[in-house]
Amino acid sequence: SQQGEEDPQALSIQEGENATMNCSYKTSINNLQWYRQNSGRGLVHLILIRSNEREKHSGRLRVTLDTSKKSSSLLITASRAADTASYFCATDYGGATNKLIFGTGTLLAVQP
Amino acid sequence: GAGVSQSPSNKVTEKGKDVELRCDPISGHTALYWYRQSLGQGLEFLIYFQGNSAPDKSGLPSDRFSAERTGGSVSTLTIQRTQQEDSAVYLCASSPRVPRDTQYFGPGTRLTVL
Repeated sequence: SQQGEEDPQALSIQEGENATMNCSYKTSINNLQWYRQNSGRGLVHLILIRSNEREKHSGRLRVTLDTSKKSSSLLITASRAADTASYFCATDYGGATNKLIFGTGTLLAVQP
Repeated sequence: GAGVSQSPSNKVTEKGKDVELRCDPISGHTALYWYRQSLGQGLEFLIYFQGNSAPDKSGLPSDRFSAERTGGSVSTLTIQRTQQEDSAVYLCASSPRVPRDTQYFGPGTRLTVL
């Protein structure tokens, strides 16, 4: 299976703290994306980082990509209770379809 | 603008029955994807449509699963003779021609097979 691995599987922090989630994948990618999912339903696209990029920021989100280690991390700074959700990395290996291969997910709980 | 919509939001069916799940992509998006999220398998790709090209069906788990996309817009995923292991959330996503790499997901259909 090409499915990526994420760690930790679950993370519980206090409001205001930073949360870091990691993702590892198996073969060369076109890009890597992070999604958020609330209550097991629709996925919300957070950020996309291309294989030639090393770091990207969007608001309180910071994503890094290390293609030599085939890994990525998502940092959420100054977390809020509303950030409580599952977070998934998804890799796009390119090709004709751009289908996404999702990681196993990290369940983040931010305690108020 | 309107996002990807899916219907029904929930579907409960009996084992052996056929079900149809519908996806309305974002207007103008040329690519459409179906994914499935289940407890045991996580999020997995099922099928991809792009314009008039032949679909990529490589993710369909069995020949009981089929999908079509009419007029390059609405898509229907059909599961025949449903089994309990088909219980999952079925997610649809669409993406524009440019950039093609960002997918926008619908809210999903939760299918429960009794």
